[in-house]
Amino acid sequence: EAQVTQNPRYLITVTGKKLTVTCSQNMNHEYMSWYRQDPGLGLRQIYYSMNVEVTDKGDVPEGYKVSRKEKRNFPLILESPSPNQTSLYFCATATSLNNEQFFGPGTRLTVL
Amino acid sequence: QKEVEQNSGPLSVPEGAIASLNCTYSDRGSQSFFWYRQYSGKSPELIMSIYSNGDKEDGRFTAQLNKASQYVSLLIRDSQPSDSATYLCAVGTGFQKLVFGTGTRLLVSP
Repeated sequence: EAQVTQNPRYLITVTGKKLTVTCSQNMNHEYMSWYRQDPGLGLRQIYYSMNVEVTDKGDVPEGYKVSRKEKRNFPLILESPSPNQTSLYFCATATSLNNEQFFGPGTRLTVL
Repeated sequence: QKEVEQNSGPLSVPEGAIASLNCTYSDRGSQSFFWYRQYSGKSPELIMSIYSNGDKEDGRFTAQLNKASQYVSLLIRDSQPSDSATYLCAVGTGFQKLVFGTGTRLLVSP
């Protein structure tokens, strides 16, 4: 079954404690992306990756890092989380042929 | 700033009616247009994509695109209570670059 998985699905943490949210896909898609979704602001892109070792900033990259060492994985790293990073995070993937992006199940992050 | 605008709603329609959802965008260079459905607490699900002017039909869904007016719409025929969700309009502004609207909440009453 084609899918995008994210872990953890829910996380409550404290300010400054480094965390990683993993994203993995089994569809062999070249493109992967991270979004955050906040009430009234919609989905905003954090970082994206065109392929292995190729990443670039989206619209709201501050406070986040990513890496793409393997095609199937695209982890999101928060080196020093702050309360304003409390949000619902989605990983998405797409082929290189079009813009049709498929979303993972989401990770709800709360930073206290 | 490239923007995608949607009425937040809620848009309320009775079961069996046609629901009409609208979206405008600011970037005239946009080439791809999408509608996603998102149930509360769930991830966005792609339901329609459209790339050229005109209508595209898929089952009960019809997407309409007018690039001259920078306008995209989604029609849902024979609306069902299970269609109650938030509908997100997304516009492709570059290679694999999507800008999302904030969504329109649709309520279909039995």
